[in-house]
Amino acid sequence: AQSVSQHNHHVILSEAASLELGCNYSYGGTVNLFWYVQYPGQHLQLLLKYFSGDPLVKGIKGFEAEFIKSKFSFNLRKPSVQWSDTAEYFCAVSEAYNFNKFYFGSGTKLNVKP
Amino acid sequence: NAGVTQTPKFQVLKTGQSMTLQCAQDMNHNSMYWYRQDPGMGLRLIYYSASEGTTDKGEVPNGYNVSRLNKREFSLRLESAAPSQTSVYFCASSERGTSESPLHFGNGTRLTVT
Repeated sequence: AQSVSQHNHHVILSEAASLELGCNYSYGGTVNLFWYVQYPGQHLQLLLKYFSGDPLVKGIKGFEAEFIKSKFSFNLRKPSVQWSDTAEYFCAVSEAYNFNKFYFGSGTKLNVKP
Repeated sequence: NAGVTQTPKFQVLKTGQSMTLQCAQDMNHNSMYWYRQDPGMGLRLIYYSASEGTTDKGEVPNGYNVSRLNKREFSLRLESAAPSQTSVYFCASSERGTSESPLHFGNGTRLTVT
C-alpha cells in the first residue's frame, strides 16, 4: 500500500508570512495528487489537484503546489497567509490505474496569528 | 446544493450497541466511500462502492459493514461497537470513480463509544 507523509504536524505563522507544507508519497508509478483543506468544524474541501502536465498547479485562495517526480513530493505553498487560512491541510494520492484508492497523509494543522 | 449529507452528526454508543450511519449524495456520483479520521492518522478508507450494487473493503474494514442502497445512498453499520471505533466518520463521493475524480465529503459524524 501507498504511504503519504506530511512532515509538519503543526505550523504556526503570523499573517503575511509565507507557507510551505511538505508532502511525500511512496508509490513509484503514475499518481494523481491532491491537497484538501478542513476548516474548523467543517468537512474536507478540495484545494487543488495534479493529474498531468505543468507540475506547478494553482488552486483556490492563492494556494499552489509543485509536483517534483524525482523527489516523490507535492509541496503546498502560499506566498502570504491570512488568518482565514487557519485550518488542517491534507495531502492525498491516488494511483492512476487503481482507482478508488485514495491515500491520505496525517494532516498539518496551520494556525495563523492575526 | 446539498452535496453529501450525513446523519447523525453526533452519536454516543455503549460497547456492544449497534448503529447505522447514513449517507446520501445528490450529485449523481457513481462512487461512494466511508473514511474514518483519527488524530495523527489522517483519513483511512473503511469501505467503498465503485458503483451501485458493488462494495469493497478499504484499509480498515473490520467491525463494519456497508450497504449501497441505490445510487444516492451508502450506509455504514457497526454491528457491535467497540471503543476503538471512536472516531469521526466521513462519507465521500466522486463522479466517475476514477483516480482523477476528486472526492466530495460530507460534514462528518462524530462517534464516541464508551
